[in-house]
Amino acid sequence: DTGVSQDPRHKITKRGQNVTFRCDPISEHNRLYWYRQTLGQGPEFLTYFQNEAQLEKSRLLSDRFSAERPKGSFSTLEIQRTEQGDSAMYLCASSLGFGGGAWREQFFGPGTRLTVL
Amino acid sequence: AQTVTQSQPEMSVQEAETVTLSCTYDTSESDYYLFWYKQPPSRQMILVIRQEAYKQQNATENRFSVNFQKAAKSFSLKISDSQLGDAAMYFCAYRSDDWTDSGNTPLVFGKGTRLSVIA
Repeated sequence: DTGVSQDPRHKITKRGQNVTFRCDPISEHNRLYWYRQTLGQGPEFLTYFQNEAQLEKSRLLSDRFSAERPKGSFSTLEIQRTEQGDSAMYLCASSLGFGGGAWREQFFGPGTRLTVL
Repeated sequence: AQTVTQSQPEMSVQEAETVTLSCTYDTSESDYYLFWYKQPPSRQMILVIRQEAYKQQNATENRFSVNFQKAAKSFSLKISDSQLGDAAMYFCAYRSDDWTDSGNTPLVFGKGTRLSVIA
């Protein structure tokens, strides 16, 4: 399977703990995105990378959140001092980034469901 | 900032019938893309259909078609000959077409419509 993979698929943690999620994009994709989806809502953009460079961060990404893509391949999303409001599905997507205006499909992973008790 | 509104939280359709899901959006941009994504229960999101704003012709993919009304900022999805496998959450999404960017910009999603298909 050469799709986007995420690990773990489910994470239950206690409030105040730190958690880290991993995303492995499709191998030739140089763009990687993180979205958060809460119950009853559509996905909301958090941050995205072009290779190892983080291009944009949403205002949703508080200072407790940090994302990295150290070698331009897989990415990690860390949440420090988790809060109950962090409970959500965290989705990763990847795409080819190319010349201005060229459309490239974003392929989504299965998500990591975080529950903060 | 762009916004996407899906006013139908839930819809249902009889198998083999046709259903239309509504989506409106707000933007000041003239160049953009619109998408419908399908999210089956406990499965990953997949792209159903896309529409480039500069194209007047409505996109069609097999049983799925859209009605794109640029002036009205409306983008509805029609599913014909509905099948049990069409049951899912459907999200309308917007993407800017920024020619100064070197590729895909992030998607802006609506809240989704849950579609049930009745056998």
